[in-house]
Parts: sequence; C-alpha cells; structure tokens
Amino acid sequence: GAVVSQHPSRVICKSGTSVKIECRSLDFQATTMFWYRQFPKQSLMLMATSNEGSKATYEQGVEKDKFLINHASLTLSTLTVTSAHPEDSSFYICSAREVSKGTLGPGLYNEQFFGPGTRLTVL
Amino acid sequence: GQQLNQSPQSMFIQEGEDVSMNCTSSSIFNTWLWYKQEPGEGPVLLIALYKAGELTSNGRLTAQFGITRKDSFLNISASIPSDVGIYFCAGQSGKLIFGQGTTLQVKP
Repeated sequence: GAVVSQHPSRVICKSGTSVKIECRSLDFQATTMFWYRQFPKQSLMLMATSNEGSKATYEQGVEKDKFLINHASLTLSTLTVTSAHPEDSSFYICSAREVSKGTLGPGLYNEQFFGPGTRLTVL
Repeated sequence: GQQLNQSPQSMFIQEGEDVSMNCTSSSIFNTWLWYKQEPGEGPVLLIALYKAGELTSNGRLTAQFGITRKDSFLNISASIPSDVGIYFCAGQSGKLIFGQGTTLQVKP
C-alpha cells in the first residue's frame, strides 16, 4: 500500500526558532500534498494544499509567511514553521495524493494517504 | 464555511457491543469517508462512500451515505478492544472536511 512518512516524528524547540517538517511519499509520486494541524482532542484542520512545482494554496486564517511550504519534487513536501511560538505547538499531519494514472471512473476517490504526524512543542 | 457535525463525541462501551456514530452537514458532499486515528498517528481510511444511499461494509464496519448527501453513519458490530481510537467522518468536495471525531473506548 501507499506509504507516507514524516520527519521528525517529534520536535521540541525554543520560542523564536524555525522548525522544518518533511513529508515524503515512499512508494508513489504525489502531485498534491496537504498539510493539516490538529490540536489536542480536536479535529484535523487543513492548513494548505501543496502542488508540486507551484505555490501552495493556504486556507483562510493561515499565515503563509509563517508556515512556509515547499513541494520541490513529486515525493517531498516540507513545512517550515518560522519564528515558532508556544501557540504553534500542535500535531502536524501531512497527506499525499497519488499522481492520477488516467481518468478515474465514476464514484472513485483519489485517496489521500496520511503520514504519521509530527508533534511540535514550542517552549 | 463547510462544517461536519459528528456525534456522539465519545463512547465507552463493553466489548462485544455494537457501536453507531453519525455525521451531518449543511452542505452536500460528493464523497463521504470514515477514518480511524490512534494516539500519535495519522488517520487511516476505513470506508469510502461515493453514491447517495450507498451502504458499504468492511469486515465488522458498515457505513452508509445518506440519500441527501448531507449525512452518513458508521456502525461497528461486536466491538473488540483494538477498536479503541478516534473515528472521524470526512466529506470531500475538492478538499477534505473532517468532523470533530468520536472517541471510542472499549472495556474488555
């Protein structure tokens, strides 16, 4: 099955520093990757959609200058939390959608495969 | 914006019992999905529903896509301890919108 990895799985940093999180599709190519944030006991909230070779599309309320996304290849997207503050502490999860192999039949879902998440703690 | 209302928020049941949870939305979705998330991990897809009225099973799990395309339910039959986790519904209409989640605890 399709596997998505994230690195690191856990990071603790000081306030004001920047943190980079990597999302890799291990056995497939992904034209589109998604970044979600999940606070404790809450749902996943989409932050941005990352398309290979183009600028990311950010959801309303997400600061693009604070959460830098780079999708330089079909297997790697990175999220950099710049000048992190304690309120940025959260569980960050990426997902990847495989390059379309052709026209999907009616009713078929182009599945997003989720990574295991990265726990960010900002002190 | 689009929102999904998922209930119940949490359930604590005895092993062997059946479980039911549901999601409703004010918007129509093309696809409804059910995910399970275990602590410290990303969500894993359980069932995908594509057509209004569709009823789909995956082992002890059964899910239905409502006729109006605005709701879905998930049933788990004969629960076992490893069913413990957080279950999320999600609607897809371009992007995925997640429900608030149902935390399931199973007492052996």
